[in-house]
Amino acid sequence: SYEVTQPLSVSVALGQTARITCGGNNIGSKNVHWYQQKPGQAPVVVIYRGDYRPSGIPERFSGSNSGNAATLTISRAQAGDEADYYCQVWDSDATFYVFGTGTKVTVL
Amino acid sequence: QMQLVESGGGVVQPGKSLRLSCAASGLTLRWSGMHWVRQAPGKGLEWVAVISYDESDKYYAHSVKGRFTISRDNSKDTLYLQMNSLKVEDTGVYYCAKSYSGTVDYFDSWGQGTLVTVSS
Repeated sequence: SYEVTQPLSVSVALGQTARITCGGNNIGSKNVHWYQQKPGQAPVVVIYRGDYRPSGIPERFSGSNSGNAATLTISRAQAGDEADYYCQVWDSDATFYVFGTGTKVTVL
Repeated sequence: QMQLVESGGGVVQPGKSLRLSCAASGLTLRWSGMHWVRQAPGKGLEWVAVISYDESDKYYAHSVKGRFTISRDNSKDTLYLQMNSLKVEDTGVYYCAKSYSGTVDYFDSWGQGTLVTVSS
């Protein structure tokens, strides 16, 4: 089955840029979605289909997807961006969704 | 206010059954693929199952296939998850989630989750 890998944690200074990768074999050919989850809350999509941003999500969030890695970028990081972030990919061969292991973002 | 509301969670012994429900309020589910996602305590998200809008397609994670059954009642805008032969490792918060378009797309709405605890 398809596997994706994420770093366990990413730290970023206030106002700086954080980048979270989601690695997978030829992931650039797949639709990748990114979710933000804060403690005690349900996840919220922040980037869908690689690089689209839902209404209401700040422009500071952006996505890219190419080759064997998808990337979620958080620019001008704020304290409110501290959360767990998950990538999600549909494995069409196995017909099921795969979530990454999640990355905890800490804003210093 | 558009929301999904899960119910039916609780404490159950290993080997027993439980049925979860997910009701829509302020939105309709009838044209959307619907999913169940779970999260064990302190762990990450795990996709569980999906059902197409017309029930023609149903897919399951390997960990639950043969034990869990996803279904829906579009007349009631409600999604279900029948969980049989429960195991300790099935413990967690279960979320229902709505696919934005078709069966497989990003999840644009999530419920608040219902806690299932499997313990003797």
